[in-house]
Amino acid sequence: DVKVTQSSRYLVKRTGEKVFLECVQDMDHENMFWYRQDPGLGLRLIYFSYDVKMKEKGDIPEGYSVSREKKERFSLILESASTNQTSMYLCASSLSFGELAGFGEQYFGPGTRLTVT
Amino acid sequence: QKEVEQNSGPLSVPEGAIASLNCTYSDRGSQSFFWYRQYSGKSPELIMFIYSNGDKEDGRFTAQLNKASQYVSLLIRDSQPSDSATYLCAVTHSGGGADGLTFGKGTHLIIQP
Repeated sequence: DVKVTQSSRYLVKRTGEKVFLECVQDMDHENMFWYRQDPGLGLRLIYFSYDVKMKEKGDIPEGYSVSREKKERFSLILESASTNQTSMYLCASSLSFGELAGFGEQYFGPGTRLTVT
Repeated sequence: QKEVEQNSGPLSVPEGAIASLNCTYSDRGSQSFFWYRQYSGKSPELIMFIYSNGDKEDGRFTAQLNKASQYVSLLIRDSQPSDSATYLCAVTHSGGGADGLTFGKGTHLIIQP
């Protein structure tokens, strides 16, 4: 079974703090993703990575950065946390369509509920 | 702008009946189509995917795909209270999976005992 883990389930930070969210997957997937999910807005893609040290902006990258130094690990960084970054953050990983019989399906970690006060 | 549309609900279905969830998508190049279930406060869980026109069955779940109409559906037979959740439809972008999935906002399903 694919396992995606995230470093914290709940996190409370103060405005202006630098925040690190860690994600680790154990299935040797090339692709990793960071989303945030807010009521009424659905899942929104922040950043994704298709290889080590590679990153691509998603739909809402402003205020965030990412790091992928190892294939299994993808970190999301909030450089200076703000209250509008209070949200549920979800990490996911996948094989690419056509790779090793993958169809692009993504597997999610348990999520980190971040509150910025 | 690639879009995936779902009725937000809530969709209320009596226990034991068939629940029918629908989804339309805008990107004609989409190759794979997924249904995720998300319980309140939890992360999405993949329950089915389909990539060919027609029906695909897995236990009580059936996914249906009509690429000409750009329409995907999920049928849940013999609905149980434990099926009460939000169901997210997702599609791959044309060009492969590396760009991720486009998700609908989900349909909230309530199974009434």
